[in-house]
Parts: sequence; structure tokens; C-alpha cells
Amino acid sequence: KQEVTQIPAALSVPEGENLVLNCSFTDSAIYNLQWFRQDPGKGLTSLLLIQSSQREQTSGRLNASLDKSSGRSTLYIAASQPGDSATYLCAVPSYNNNDMRFGAGTRLTVKP
Amino acid sequence: SQTIHQWPATLVQPVGSPLSLECTVEGTSNPNLYWYRQAAGRGLQLLFYSVGIGQISSEVPQNLSASRPQDRQFILSSKKLLLSDSGFYLCAWSANRGPFTEAFFGQGTRLTVV
Repeated sequence: KQEVTQIPAALSVPEGENLVLNCSFTDSAIYNLQWFRQDPGKGLTSLLLIQSSQREQTSGRLNASLDKSSGRSTLYIAASQPGDSATYLCAVPSYNNNDMRFGAGTRLTVKP
Repeated sequence: SQTIHQWPATLVQPVGSPLSLECTVEGTSNPNLYWYRQAAGRGLQLLFYSVGIGQISSEVPQNLSASRPQDRQFILSSKKLLLSDSGFYLCAWSANRGPFTEAFFGQGTRLTVV
């Protein structure tokens, strides 16, 4: 059974810092990995999708990397801003590829 | 472009009352559809998924049910709500083409059972 873990559970940084969020998964036989952002009381917004053949994806100040063999992905946020404050979740397809398995998320606070 | 609509945004229901949450997707056809529940401080739990009209798979035994009466409509129901049904319910869709592709979520429904 695919298990997804995110570390740290919470992170507080001053504005302008670069930061890294971590995601690990137990079954490396995945097709892709997706990073989401969730604002309080809201749905999930897709940030980046990395295919298994890719090692990284970039969108603006966000860069996600994927190391399938070690079962790890990182989300790098450059020059953090208060508007980046949210919970960040990673997800990978389940063993039967019919749905996703989510980590519990990292709650990020960027202080002005 | 594709959009997903979920309503209502919030709902307060008494124990034992029925439930109906609706989700619709626009701009795509034959999507995979999903209902997830997010309990406070916990991760997302898949409740139901559907790969086509009338095709529903349940991941967790519970007093909830799902239906897909139309290609882009997914409904979550209950005949009698329990206190433990409180939570944040999210609908999602993904393209139905081979291995699991990128997923997109609605804005969620906050259900409080009192």
C-alpha cells in the first residue's frame, strides 16, 4: 500500500527566504507526482505535476523535483512571500492508479 | 477550459437528516470523478470514484453513497447523517486516459452535523 509522508508538518519563515518542502513515498513504481496548495477552508489548487520520466518541473518561483528510486520529491519555493502561506500537499497515484494517495501536508507561514 | 463546480460551500445538518452534495464538471467528457473527505488536521481520504456513468467504486464502508447520473455529474448522498460524517468534502476530476493523470479539485463543502 502506498504511504506518503510530508516533512515538516509546519514551517514558519520570514519573507524572502528560500525554502524546501519534502515528500516521501513508499512505492517507487509511480506514474507521476502532484503538488497542491490548499488555503484555509478552500479546495486544492494544482501547482505542479511531475511525470515519472521527469526529474523536475518549474512554475514561476516553484520548482519540484522527483527522485523515484529513493521515493522522494521536494518542492522548492524561492523568495517566499506572505501570499505563499498555505498548506502544501503532495500526492501520488495509488497502486491501482484509480486515485491518489496524499500526504498530510506542510502548513507554511511566511511572515512579513 | 475545464471547470469543476461543487455546492453548497457550507452545510449544517442535524443528525439523522439526509444529505446531497453535488459536483459537476464542464469542458471535458468522460472524466474520472472522485469524492474525498478531509477531516480536521488529517489527510484526504478517498470515499468514492467513478470511471463512467453508473460506475461507482467505494473505498471505505460507511453510511454514504455516491451516484453518477450523468457523464459530468457526481452526487454524494446519505439517508441518515451521523456526527462522524462532519468534515470537508472535496470533489475532483481527472482525464480518463490510461494511468492516473493530473487531478483538479472543487472548492469543497464544509459539512457540520449537529
